[in-house]
Amino acid sequence: DIQMTQSPSTLSASIGDTVTITCRASQNINRWLAWYQQKPGKVPKLLINEASILESGVPSRFSGSGSGTEFTLTISSLQPDDFGTYYCHQFSKYGTFGQGTKVEFK
Amino acid sequence: EVQLVESGEGLVQPGGSLRLSCAASGFRFRDYGMHWIRQAPGKGLEYASAISGNGGSTYYVESVRGRFTISRDNSKNTLFLQMGSLRTEDTGVYYCVRDVRGGFDFWGRGAVVTVSS
Repeated sequence: DIQMTQSPSTLSASIGDTVTITCRASQNINRWLAWYQQKPGKVPKLLINEASILESGVPSRFSGSGSGTEFTLTISSLQPDDFGTYYCHQFSKYGTFGQGTKVEFK
Repeated sequence: EVQLVESGEGLVQPGGSLRLSCAASGFRFRDYGMHWIRQAPGKGLEYASAISGNGGSTYYVESVRGRFTISRDNSKNTLFLQMGSLRTEDTGVYYCVRDVRGGFDFWGRGAVVTVSS
């Protein structure tokens, strides 16, 4: 099975900061990766598909990059609504989620 | 409007069984792969099972293989997850999700499964 290692597990940031979350795959997954945001008590929301394609309605301050085994999610100018937990998800072979990154207020 | 509504949640003893259903509407159900994703209390997301649009291909994560069965009825726009030999570690919220080009664009509200004596 493909393992996904996400870092950091927790990230403390302030409004206006640029934050970066990294996801590493245990083998080549090309660009078959998605990013989700989940807030407490809510269902996950798809932000980015196929490594860098922004879903409709998602603010442009979110961006994704990478291919192969290394991927990043960047949030430029962090807003109050951006706090929550972020997950990467590979779908190259079946599916696996990263363990999540909690973005909290510094 | 796309909607996914899970049902069948409940409390079951270890070793017991439970069947979850997911009623889909607002899209051509047969055209989409569907998945069950679960989340233990306070934990991250975990893959449970997946099924292709025509039902001909299925996948199970190792921890549920042989105990869970995923199926679908495209004539009734419904996805199922038959869960057997349940363990305490199967406790959590089970989400029915739609697959679009690999990512999951729509999620149900989730069905709470509690395995406890």
